[in-house]
Amino acid sequence: DTGVSQDPRHKITKRGQNVTFRCDPISEHNRLYWYRQTLGQGPEFLTYFQNEAQLEKSRLLSDRFSAERPKGSFSTLEIQRTEQGDSAMYLCASSPSMGNTIYFGEGSWLTVV
Amino acid sequence: AQSVTQLDSQVPVFEEAPVELRCNYSSSVSVYLFWYVQYPNQGLQLLLKYLSGSTLVKGINGFEAEFNKSQTSFHLRKPSVHISDTAEYFCAVSDRGGSNYKLTFGKGTLLTVNP
Repeated sequence: DTGVSQDPRHKITKRGQNVTFRCDPISEHNRLYWYRQTLGQGPEFLTYFQNEAQLEKSRLLSDRFSAERPKGSFSTLEIQRTEQGDSAMYLCASSPSMGNTIYFGEGSWLTVV
Repeated sequence: AQSVTQLDSQVPVFEEAPVELRCNYSSSVSVYLFWYVQYPNQGLQLLLKYLSGSTLVKGINGFEAEFNKSQTSFHLRKPSVHISDTAEYFCAVSDRGGSNYKLTFGKGTLLTVNP
């Protein structure tokens, strides 16, 4: 396994711009998760996919946020019209269909200026 | 709904001293329990997990944790810490009966090991 891969690792953007993060899960993991972590806090659940189906979304995921997993492999998280409050680390994670352990990627840092 | 409380936001210790990082949880259902470690500017790495069976679980890097159902606790321990153990440690739970195993995290404990 090569682990969960995220890109880009760091992104600085101006307020109002759109950003997109990509996540490649561990091969053959059919569950994929997005979390958000702000400074001094633990990760907070954003959304969950099983294969290509988005089965759960947190209230934290406002209308400006959209996540996709078109072919049940990689996933993208897009934030439209970024705000300073969106500055955080966005973590992607995956788990196998019969497993109860979630494996995290290195995270994508977003700074909105 | 579930919640996790990590009782200490920061724990400073000297190298080779023992350490305990405390975690309490609240849940109306049975849970799985996890400890993750996060080094600066990195993602989370699984240290250990309790799924069932023996309440004392051992993980990587010499860490262990004990599940106490009556006290709803899952404290993390290491008998002798190293400088390299300096990191943020997160306790987390997931619903044992759920279908997606999503995690609820505590706010973390920053362990600082001093020479």
